[in-house]
Amino acid sequence: AQSVSQHNHHVILSEAASLELGCNYSYGGTVNLFWYVQYPGQHLQLLLKYFSGDPLVKGIKGFEAEFIKSKFSFNLRKPSVQWSDTAEYFCAAQNTGGFKTIFGAGTRLFVKA
Amino acid sequence: DTGVSQDPRHKITKRGQNVTFRCDPISEHNRLYWYRQTLGQGPEFLTYFQNEAQLEKSRLLSDRFSAERPKGSFSTLEIQRTEQGDSAMYLCASSLAVMGGETQYFGPGTRLLVL
Repeated sequence: AQSVSQHNHHVILSEAASLELGCNYSYGGTVNLFWYVQYPGQHLQLLLKYFSGDPLVKGIKGFEAEFIKSKFSFNLRKPSVQWSDTAEYFCAAQNTGGFKTIFGAGTRLFVKA
Repeated sequence: DTGVSQDPRHKITKRGQNVTFRCDPISEHNRLYWYRQTLGQGPEFLTYFQNEAQLEKSRLLSDRFSAERPKGSFSTLEIQRTEQGDSAMYLCASSLAVMGGETQYFGPGTRLLVL
């Protein structure tokens, strides 16, 4: 069955710490991969996406993610988090031939000032 | 603002009542999706439209749920005879279908509470 799993449900970091959020997917065929972010009281916004090409993708606000096909992973990273990064982060996978997008359960990140 | 909009943002209803939600997608987008999100979970796919055609429905979508997208523009999601288990955030997303992949843009959601 198709699935996306996120390793941590909650992460607490201090400002300036480095961030890595894990995401693994189980999907037949080739996939497109996404990270979405939901800031408190706001709607889901796209952080970055991978369709093809360079497996290291850069997104908004200094985030990046690396697609490692052999590990079925698409981990999200940021070298130095800010208090304003406090949000919930969702990893998602989509089969390249169609539309269906499967989301992980999300990781709540809290950054202490 | 030219993003996806949803109305209402909040709905409280009593068990057994019918409710209807509206989604207005980004104007040039031909695909429209409905998702449901409960606490501690990511969005779960319910159904999607390409233009006015409803092309797939999830098994999560019971017979009490119906969605329409007349004329391929806005969409409505109706829940009949609501149950407490229907309490959730209902999200709408739209996209422009292109070869190789698409990015879905989400609205703010309608939070439903069934008493």
